[in-house]
Amino acid sequence: AQSVTQLGSHVSVSEGALVLLRCNYSSSVPPYLFWYVQYPNQGLQLLLKYTTGATLVKGINGFEAEFKKSETSFHLTKPSAHMSDAAEYFCAVSRMDSSYKLIFGSGTRLLVRP
Amino acid sequence: DTGVSQNPRHKITKRGQNVTFRCDPISEHNRLYWYRQTLGQGPEFLTYFQNEAQLEKSRLLSDRFSAERPKGSFSTLEIQRTEQGDSAMYLCASSLRGQAYTGELFFGEGSRLTVL
Repeated sequence: AQSVTQLGSHVSVSEGALVLLRCNYSSSVPPYLFWYVQYPNQGLQLLLKYTTGATLVKGINGFEAEFKKSETSFHLTKPSAHMSDAAEYFCAVSRMDSSYKLIFGSGTRLLVRP
Repeated sequence: DTGVSQNPRHKITKRGQNVTFRCDPISEHNRLYWYRQTLGQGPEFLTYFQNEAQLEKSRLLSDRFSAERPKGSFSTLEIQRTEQGDSAMYLCASSLRGQAYTGELFFGEGSRLTVL
């Protein structure tokens, strides 16, 4: 069975500070991993994804994540937080069958202090 | 706007009543998913369609829940005899099959259900 665990339901950073949101996965097969973001009153949107190839993946709005198989991690980072980054972030793993459905973590709400 | 559209956005109902949510996916998308999101949790898979065929249902989808996608276009999710535990945000997402393979789903804004 596949699952993801997000450490920290809330993360608070100052504007301009490093953002680090943690995600660990469990998968018996090579995983496809994703980060989705949900801004207030908006639908979830794909931020970035890892399928195969380069383990450091870049997404929209300056975010990136690194797939580390040895640590079963896929942490999301951004060097400098902006007020507009305040949102809820979900890590997800794809069920590797014909459904391709996503299995989401419980989410991390990012608060950015001025 | 050509994104995924969900209606109604909010529904307040009394326990025991029936409710129906509608999802209009992006027009060329042949895959459609329903998820449920409760407070403090990530979205949980309910069911999905490939065109008009419902291919999988989660154990979360009790007999009181039914979903349809006639003609492979819009989809409806009906909850009969609602219970307070059904209170949640119901999310619809669509994609092309190839996009779903790489995890790229396009989500609507959701339909929030409150059961009193």
